[in-house]
Amino acid sequence: EAQVTQNPRYLITVTGKKLTVTCSQNMNHEYMSWYRQDPGLGLRQIYYSMNVEVTDKGDVPEGYKVSRKEKRNFPLILESPSPNQTSLYFCASSFGLAGGYNEQFFGPGTRLTVL
Amino acid sequence: KQEVTQIPAALSVPEGENLVLNCSFTDSAIYNLQWFRQDPGKGLTSLLLIQSSQREQTSGRLNASLDKSSGRSTLYIAASQPGDSATYLCAVNADYKLSFGAGTTVTVRA
Repeated sequence: EAQVTQNPRYLITVTGKKLTVTCSQNMNHEYMSWYRQDPGLGLRQIYYSMNVEVTDKGDVPEGYKVSRKEKRNFPLILESPSPNQTSLYFCASSFGLAGGYNEQFFGPGTRLTVL
Repeated sequence: KQEVTQIPAALSVPEGENLVLNCSFTDSAIYNLQWFRQDPGKGLTSLLLIQSSQREQTSGRLNASLDKSSGRSTLYIAASQPGDSATYLCAVNADYKLSFGAGTTVTVRA
């Protein structure tokens, strides 16, 4: 089944404890991105990747890191989480951005609470 | 910067009524526009995708139109059902990301 998976789905952690949220897709997509969703602010892009070893900042990258060493995986790293990073996180992927194969597929979300 | 607006923010209708959800965006240089459904605390379900060269897409009771030149899209849901109750998000694909509207929360009363 074609899908985007995220792990963990739920995480409660404490301030300053490094964590990684994994994202994996099995559709051979080149483009991947991370979003966070907050009440009243909607969904905002954190980082995106056009292909392996190619990443760039989105609208709200502060406090986050990403890497794209393999095409299928795009982990989101919080080196020193803070309470303002408590949010619902989504990973998304697509073949590209332009052209006919640019539908974005979303993972199920990761609910993160930082105490 | 792309701004996406959805009106109304909330909508309550009796079962069987048709739904009309509006989305407007400020920059017409887009790749496509997607409509999503989100249930409370849950993920995003893609409903319809309209490429920038298209005017309309249909899937079952759902129909979405796109007028790129005026920066508007409309999602029509025919013969609404209580199971249609959710938040509907439109997202514009441009500038290496999706820009989302704040959503329209729909309640269909039985």
